[in-house]
Amino acid sequence: EVQLVESGGGLVKPGGSLRLSCAASGFTFRDRNMNWVRQAPGKGLEWVSSISSSATDIYYADSVKGRFTISRDNAKSSLYLQMNSLRAEDTAVYYCVRDHNSAYWGQGTLVAVSS
Amino acid sequence: DVEMTQSPLSLPVTLGQPASISCRSSQSLVQSDGNPYLNWFQQRPGQSPRRLIYKVSNRDSGVPDRFSGSGSGTDFTLKISRVEAEDAGVYYCMQAQQWPLTFGGGTKVEIK
Repeated sequence: EVQLVESGGGLVKPGGSLRLSCAASGFTFRDRNMNWVRQAPGKGLEWVSSISSSATDIYYADSVKGRFTISRDNAKSSLYLQMNSLRAEDTAVYYCVRDHNSAYWGQGTLVAVSS
Repeated sequence: DVEMTQSPLSLPVTLGQPASISCRSSQSLVQSDGNPYLNWFQQRPGQSPRRLIYKVSNRDSGVPDRFSGSGSGTDFTLKISRVEAEDAGVYYCMQAQQWPLTFGGGTKVEIK
C-alpha cells in the first residue's frame, strides 16, 4: 500500500524557516517523480514544486522560487521542502504527492505563518 | 502558464440526478502518444484530494462507474450519472501536461 506521511509543519513567524519532510513507503521511491502541492485555508489547490526521480529536474512555482528548495533522499525514501523567508500567504496545508499525474497524496501538514 | 477554468463554481444537485462540471484550459492540451494529462480530483471535507480520473477519461481503481471524464483540446468534462450523498465535496481539474502544473479553481457539489 502506498503511503506518504508529511511532517514538520507548525507555527512560524514571518521571515522564518521550516523544513517539511515526507516519508514514503509501499513503492520504489527512487523510481518516482515527487511533488509538493499546497492548499490555503478555504482555498483551492496550488502546485508548489516538483523533483524528478534522480533529482536532475526541479521545478518551482513562481510564488516560491528563490525561497523554497525541494530535495529528496532516495536511500531514505524521503522528500523534503526547505521553506525560507516565509510569508503570511504561505500559510497552507502542504501535501506530498507522488508523480506529476498525482495518483497518491499524503494527509498533509499545516504550515501557519503569523506573528 | 496553462490556466484552468472550471464552471460552475457551485453545483446543487438532487440525489439520483446527473451532474456535469466543465474545465477549460487556456492552451490546447495535446499529447502525441495518447490523451493529454488532464486529471480530475475529488476532495471531501477534511480529507486529502483523491484522484478520480486520469488522462481525460480513465477511471482510477475503486472509483464508481457513475463518474466519467471526456473532452479534448481545451474543453473537458466530468460527469456524475446519478449523484449519491457521498459525492458531496469539491472537484478540481488539473493539467499535468507542462510545468507549472495548474489546477482549476474547484467546483463545490452540494446535495439538495
